[in-house]
Amino acid sequence: QSVLTQPPSASGTPGQRVTISCSGSSSNIGSNFVYWYQQLPGTAPKLLIYSNNQRPSGVPDRFSGSKSGTSASLAISGLRSEDEADYYCAVWDDSLSGRVFGGGTKLTVL
Amino acid sequence: EVQLVESGGGLVQPGGSLRLSCAASGFTLSDHYMDWVRQAPGKGLEWVGRSRNKAKRYSTDYAASVKGRFTISRDDSKNSLYLQMNSLKTEDTAVYYCARVGVGVIDYWGQGTLVTVSS
Repeated sequence: QSVLTQPPSASGTPGQRVTISCSGSSSNIGSNFVYWYQQLPGTAPKLLIYSNNQRPSGVPDRFSGSKSGTSASLAISGLRSEDEADYYCAVWDDSLSGRVFGGGTKLTVL
Repeated sequence: EVQLVESGGGLVQPGGSLRLSCAASGFTLSDHYMDWVRQAPGKGLEWVGRSRNKAKRYSTDYAASVKGRFTISRDDSKNSLYLQMNSLKTEDTAVYYCARVGVGVIDYWGQGTLVTVSS
């Protein structure tokens, strides 16, 4: 069982806005930056959001991140078929002295 | 261009050992922390451990699940990172990714190498 809790699945139709949540605790999300990764089928993860809400160059502004207390969210607006992937939140956990990942959310574009 | 290429995966019996390598290019390895992350078939990502940079004397941290069995090392002169895995268990079966750490964040990943622990 993951230290960070994500819904196992999410879905939306093209053009819709979807959000994926990530719930943690004071030792991880509550005190450190949250990162989000996108993993397309059969490929390595790709950094989508860093420092809670920053996008690396090349990541469309349809993707946005936020954090409040011990929870974080990833929002995807203007959903496209190519957004169909697994999404993971990640953060450093001070109690475990290690990086922790959420269990992942499989996004389906209907 | 940053590139990370893992090698050394394969089939190994329970209790056996395996050494993974990660060839890095496009950046100065000694400046960066480096992580190993694994993904069991059909499962999520699991952090394995990290090697800090030269300034931090290459100190290491490990996940509880592998501590005492796995060892991360590096040879900056060869631009290479290693993961020595001993006393392997069936639950260690996974794709193992080498990853570069930027400012606290994993910003580049290798393509992964599959390790299968089975008799």
